Amino acid sequence: ELKVEQNPLFLSMQEGKNYTIYCNYSTTSDRLYWYRQDPGKSLESLFVLLSNGAVKQEGRLMASLDTKARLSTLHITAAVHDLSATYFCAVYLYGQNFVFGPGTRLSVLP
Amino acid sequence: GAVVSQHPSRVICKSGTSVKIECRSLDFQATTMFWYRQFPKQSLMLMATSNEGSKATYEQGVEKDKFLINHASLTLSTLTVTSAHPEDSSFYICSASPARWRSSYNEQFFGPGTRLTVL
Repeated sequence: ELKVEQNPLFLSMQEGKNYTIYCNYSTTSDRLYWYRQDPGKSLESLFVLLSNGAVKQEGRLMASLDTKARLSTLHITAAVHDLSATYFCAVYLYGQNFVFGPGTRLSVLP
Repeated sequence: GAVVSQHPSRVICKSGTSVKIECRSLDFQATTMFWYRQFPKQSLMLMATSNEGSKATYEQGVEKDKFLINHASLTLSTLTVTSAHPEDSSFYICSASPARWRSSYNEQFFGPGTRLTVL
């Protein structure tokens, strides 16, 4: 059974700082997704990572995938308050569809 | 493109009543739609996978007689919570996979969610 973990689960950081959120999964997969969720809202797609070594960047966020280590990272550069949200990674596995991580609740403080 | 809508966005009902939630893909056809449930401050849990023209596939532990899913067309899936109880109160989110992308990277597009409160 595919299990997806995220670390940390809660993150409080100051504006301007850098930090990385980690997503580990238990079964080989080459499809990993990152989503953002604001309170009371649904999910917004951030990144789709489809191969080992994939790296994608959008603004202050950069995601990478290492399928051999079964690890994806979401790196935040020079955080701003608008990035405060909960971030989920999700792994697709044929026959199990999407399995979501527990989420990382990020608070960016002024 | 790739917009998914849900209706209603919020519903409050009495215990014992049934509630229907609609999920529509507005600008694409979706052979597969997914229904998730999310409790406060928790992750999304897949409830069932809905395929157009066939029976839904339910995840382990999800009562198919309580959560009725109908995927009547390539743009509409409905979830009916029958005989709702307070423990069914949750945020229900649907997603849809565009048919033409299904073999590529299985991306899902999420609806805005429906908050169900059962009194």
